[in-house]
Amino acid sequence: KNQVEQSPQSLIILEGKNCTLQCNYTVSPFSNLRWYKQDTGRGPVSLTIMTFSENTKSNGRYTATLDADTKQSSLHITASQLSDSASYICVVSDRGSTLGRLYFGRGTQLTVWP
Amino acid sequence: EADIYQTPRYLVIGTGKKITLECSQTMGHDKMYWYQQDPGMELHLIHYSYGVNSTEKGDLSSESTVSRIRTEHFPLTLESARPSHTSQYLCASSESGTGTYEQYFGPGTRLTVT
Repeated sequence: KNQVEQSPQSLIILEGKNCTLQCNYTVSPFSNLRWYKQDTGRGPVSLTIMTFSENTKSNGRYTATLDADTKQSSLHITASQLSDSASYICVVSDRGSTLGRLYFGRGTQLTVWP
Repeated sequence: EADIYQTPRYLVIGTGKKITLECSQTMGHDKMYWYQQDPGMELHLIHYSYGVNSTEKGDLSSESTVSRIRTEHFPLTLESARPSHTSQYLCASSESGTGTYEQYFGPGTRLTVT
């Protein structure tokens, strides 16, 4: 069964600190892995997309890594800001269908305190 | 910010009422999607469309129906709302083709059925 598991479920950090969120997946055949940021009451917004051949991608203070062999990804947030408080969702796409089906994790709820 | 819109943003309605959730995008995307998301849970695909006059059911069984008469418009209808339909509904769109294409999400409609 295709699954995406994220850890931790929730995380509280102080403003200015770094943090790393984890994602493990079993989706096969693998196409790409995405990290989304979802603010409360809003739709998800894409942070990064990585294909099989990419093992790191950055978007400002966000850096995602991918190990396709171990089927693990991480999202590292540097110098956190209050606006980083949100749910971070790991999403994996398969290439077994023309739809490019997306499999969503439940997200890590990040809270940044001043 | 993606050019995809959903109305209403919030809706509280009584059991048995018929409702239509609107979704429009101005990006000319062929593919459109409806997801359902409960608090703290992953997004579940309930409907998708490859283009005009194309609609398919997603992974999660839903009593809702959709239509795609125009490329930019993908409304979702519940003929008789029930409390079990209380959830957040997210619309998304993406380009077609064999590449890795971003899915752009709307802001969502928070539906409460009393």
